[in-house]
Amino acid sequence: GAGVSQTPSNKVTEKGKYVELRCDPISGHTALYWYRQSLGQGPEFLIYFQGTGAADDSGLPNDRFFAVRPEGSVSTLKIQRTERGDSAVYLCASSPDRNTGELFFGEGSRLTVL
Amino acid sequence: DQQVKQNSPSLSVQEGRISILNCDYTNSMFDYFLWYKKYPAEGPTFLISISSIKDKNEDGRFTVFLNKSAKHLSLHIVPSQPGDSAVYFCAARRAGNMLTFGGGTRLMVKP
Repeated sequence: GAGVSQTPSNKVTEKGKYVELRCDPISGHTALYWYRQSLGQGPEFLIYFQGTGAADDSGLPNDRFFAVRPEGSVSTLKIQRTERGDSAVYLCASSPDRNTGELFFGEGSRLTVL
Repeated sequence: DQQVKQNSPSLSVQEGRISILNCDYTNSMFDYFLWYKKYPAEGPTFLISISSIKDKNEDGRFTVFLNKSAKHLSLHIVPSQPGDSAVYFCAARRAGNMLTFGGGTRLMVKP
């Protein structure tokens, strides 16, 4: 596809369950980012991949959150033992060049934890 | 610790007039500043940026001004159009292309 693709677009789960959110970046983009946006706030950085490795995961709130990008393309954000406070829109972005400052965002995955 | 702040949650402007959106930051290490625009149910899209070594960048109806001494930047849209109605996020970049976003300003342009 032409843009960043995220699935699922909506996920409703119960407290304590495990969730995976997938991101398919723009082809050829080496950098991939995960952000989280809570209601009424701006996107908040979670983790950044350059290729297959996590270059910076300082934004992950705790060890329940983990992300992988095994082949340097698709990435999966994994949340264990979900809590109601994890409810948010999870945005993925990719970039062709880590020096431009311009990120291309997907439409996000809206996670609701009941 | 909010390093990037947008103090106006909303702004209403008449079509054809100027829209001015403001943003303040605290970290002197930011080297690039960007504005993103977001429509409902869509991801943010890049609008315009400015390097920290410049004080102005213009692209069509959009101009961004940077005042480093005041740690303040602003986005001017002139003339404003109804299609500009969206949430605008200010963002500041540090190493590795990681962006810190402000809380957003909802712009409403009335016909």
